[in-house]
Amino acid sequence: DTEVTQTPKHLVMGMTNKKSLKCEQHMGHRAMYWYKQKAKKPPELMFVYSYEKLSINESVPSRFSPECPNSSLLNLHLHALQPEDSALYLCASSQDFWNRKSSNQPQHFGDGTRLSIL
Amino acid sequence: SQQGEEDPQALSIQEGENATMNCSYKTSINNLQWYRQNSGRGLVHLILIRSNEREKHSGRLRVTLDTSKKSSSLLITASRAADTASYFCATDVIQGAQKLVFGQGTRLTINP
Repeated sequence: DTEVTQTPKHLVMGMTNKKSLKCEQHMGHRAMYWYKQKAKKPPELMFVYSYEKLSINESVPSRFSPECPNSSLLNLHLHALQPEDSALYLCASSQDFWNRKSSNQPQHFGDGTRLSIL
Repeated sequence: SQQGEEDPQALSIQEGENATMNCSYKTSINNLQWYRQNSGRGLVHLILIRSNEREKHSGRLRVTLDTSKKSSSLLITASRAADTASYFCATDVIQGAQKLVFGQGTRLTINP
């Protein structure tokens, strides 16, 4: 069992749909991340939230809209996606984004949402 | 951006044998981490080695780091079928921050 919970596990949507991916952690972590992973490729960073503020946006298209309502929750709102957006979307968290107290900070990953765009 | 290259891309060995995976990176780092990903699952952190460390052990895992060559290796001893997974190295690309860039990964298959 992972300590980062992602819902839904699978999502199929049309290109005109609006949907949201959800991520939750209760480890008291103050940094949360969205990654995109295509088949047989490494995860690629999309967004980083630190203390509920967006710290990094890796030039992600605006059809992906992240939201961090509180320190435990992270959402990714999806609108007008393209077929090439089909991928595994992974959420992760870590104690902090900036290594203020310790540099020994692994990231904890959820099991992802497998997204298919028709 | 691609920071890490991993070698080999795929490795298939018999149960009980040792598996070695290599990772090379391009920029200066604070630390290097190794993660495992089972099929259809998220990544699991295995081990972190700091730039001032040369070797680190955790159970059946041994990680080495050579900052002069910008390379690291992960050794899994006495492999088990449950070790079948993809293994990724990850480096921090911003000093003092947790922005990680992952290598291309090695797909390890342990045959019973």
